[in-house]
Order: sequence, then structure tokens, then C-alpha cells
Amino acid sequence: SQQGEEDPQALSIQEGENATMNCSYKTSINNLQWYRQNSGRGLVHLILIRSNEREKHSGRLRVTLDTSKKSSSLLITASRAADTASYFCATGFQGAQKLVFGQGTRLTINP
Amino acid sequence: DAGITQSPRYKITETGRQVTLMCHQTWSHSYMFWYRQDLGHGLRLIYYSAAADITDKGEVPDGYVVSRSKTENFPLTLESATRSQTSVYFCASRKPGTPREETQYFGPGTRLLVL
Repeated sequence: SQQGEEDPQALSIQEGENATMNCSYKTSINNLQWYRQNSGRGLVHLILIRSNEREKHSGRLRVTLDTSKKSSSLLITASRAADTASYFCATGFQGAQKLVFGQGTRLTINP
Repeated sequence: DAGITQSPRYKITETGRQVTLMCHQTWSHSYMFWYRQDLGHGLRLIYYSAAADITDKGEVPDGYVVSRSKTENFPLTLESATRSQTSVYFCASRKPGTPREETQYFGPGTRLLVL
């Protein structure tokens, strides 16, 4: 079964607005990662947050992690048309060498 | 720096045929992975490999075979293709690091259609 579940499944906003995507998971994790996938392409790693971290920034990206609620959020500020893509959360957990991916959020930025 | 490549990029085959998807990485990453991506299921792990000659099953291994004789190559074989194996297949390798920093690098994918 999927470890990560993203919400919403699809999100459409205007250019310049902020986009927030959420991810919930089921078991204890070592880290949580976010990946982006442009249409027809492979996934690209965006940001990793460790289980002992609560917030992390990278450029226009802000990730939060709440281990008590087993949830994470990805905020993209000042969105651009080029941010149109699918975004996946992936969890890495203790004793495992693999990641488990959620089903993704499809983000559309309207000009 | 070629990174991670997959071939072919597109493949059409018929039910019952054997198909091999190739994956090659130039970073000498020890870990490699095969995923399939289907609508409604996201990415699901098929097989992964910790090093040459070491492979292990993922979430959906049935109908697939892998081998890893060299660190840089990780081919995926569909022994007798079925229509349910129509999918987009992604290969990935893992950046070396501690277990808490295991980001993955993905290839461009292979679109497989089984008729």
C-alpha cells in the first residue's frame, strides 16, 4: 500500500500565487522528499527534510514536516508557468534502502 | 556527464514476447531501482539492487526479472509480456550518502505498450 498520500490530487492557480501541497504517511520515517515531474519526463529531486527537522527552505520552496501528525507540506511561492508539473512526496524509512512514493499532485499554473 | 539513461524510450510489443529495458548510469552509484508509473497508482517499485549481483524485490515484482552484472547497468526483463504491463518504466539510482539523505536520480523513462 502507498506510504505517502498527496492532497489535493490536482491544483490550478494563477501565476504569482502560492501553491501548497500536502502529504500524509503512515509509518515512522527517516526522511521525506519531494520530487517534481514535468510531462513526459523523469522525476527530479527538489528537497529532502530529515525526520528531526521541522522546516526547510530552498529558493521558492518551503517544506514543513510534522512527525506527530505524520504529514508534510510543500509550499511554492510566487508561482511561475514553469512550475506546472506533478509533485510527488516520497518517504524513506528506518532499515530500508528504498523510497515509497505517493500518487502525486498535478499542479497547473495559469498565465 | 550523461547521468542515467534508458533505452529504448518507446517500445511496442505483443503479448507473450520477451522484452528487455535497459538502464545505464555513469555515476557508479551502488543502488539502482526500477519503478513503473500508472495512472491512479503513482510510482511503484518493481526491483532494486544494492550492488552488482545483489537484487531484491519491490512492491510489484511478478512477471519481471532483473540482473546486475556490472555496477553501471541494471536491465529489466519482462519474460512474457502481458497487457497489464503496459506502463511507463523509470530507472533510478541513489546518490551516495547516509541512510537519511538518500535522494534518487531518475532516468527519462521508457513507455511500453503491450498489444
